[in-house]
Amino acid sequence: GQNIDQPTEMTATEGAIVQINCTYQTSGFNGLFWYQQHAGEAPTFLSYNVLDGLEEKGRFSSFLSRSKGYSYLLLKELQMKDSASYLCAGMDSNYQLIWGAGTKLIIKP
Amino acid sequence: DGGITQSPKYLFRKEGQNVTLSCEQNLNHDAMYWYRQDPGQGLRLIYYSQIVNDFQKGDIAEGYSVSREKKESFPLTVTSAQKNPTAFYLCASSIPGLRVFDEQFFGPGTRLTVL
Repeated sequence: GQNIDQPTEMTATEGAIVQINCTYQTSGFNGLFWYQQHAGEAPTFLSYNVLDGLEEKGRFSSFLSRSKGYSYLLLKELQMKDSASYLCAGMDSNYQLIWGAGTKLIIKP
Repeated sequence: DGGITQSPKYLFRKEGQNVTLSCEQNLNHDAMYWYRQDPGQGLRLIYYSQIVNDFQKGDIAEGYSVSREKKESFPLTVTSAQKNPTAFYLCASSIPGLRVFDEQFFGPGTRLTVL
């Protein structure tokens, strides 16, 4: 079956760095997405990886290892506004997104 | 500004009533999607449409129906056959031509509560 696993909740301190991990099992693979979702709002796109390695975009970076079925989202210089849920989604061979349950990130001053 | 609108943001219905959730986009996207989001679970695909007048069932289509008569609009009807309709419903759209990188843009969502 297809499955996306990510931690339910994480806590970090303002100004620090946090890494949110995601493991995936999909039927075929056409990339790994990360979305940010503030409570009660729509998810917004953060990153897409289809090749192994690290993609950096400002304070946010995303890493992919296809051989390990593993990705992580790295957030640097954390700000209070980064408090949100972070959704990992794998795209399968039919170009459908398989979504994880999301990781709720709590930022403390 | 281009975007996706969903209305209403909050919706209350009595058990046994059908209800239709609106989704409109002015991004000129061909593909549109309906997801359901429940606490502690990932987004689950209800229906999707790649082109006008065509749509396919997702993973949890039972108890739901859709139509795609216009490119801009993809309404979702939650019927009385849906056993547990209380949830947060999200509509999304994308440009399916870019098959490998298919970023989806989401509307603000409708929170449906069935009393």
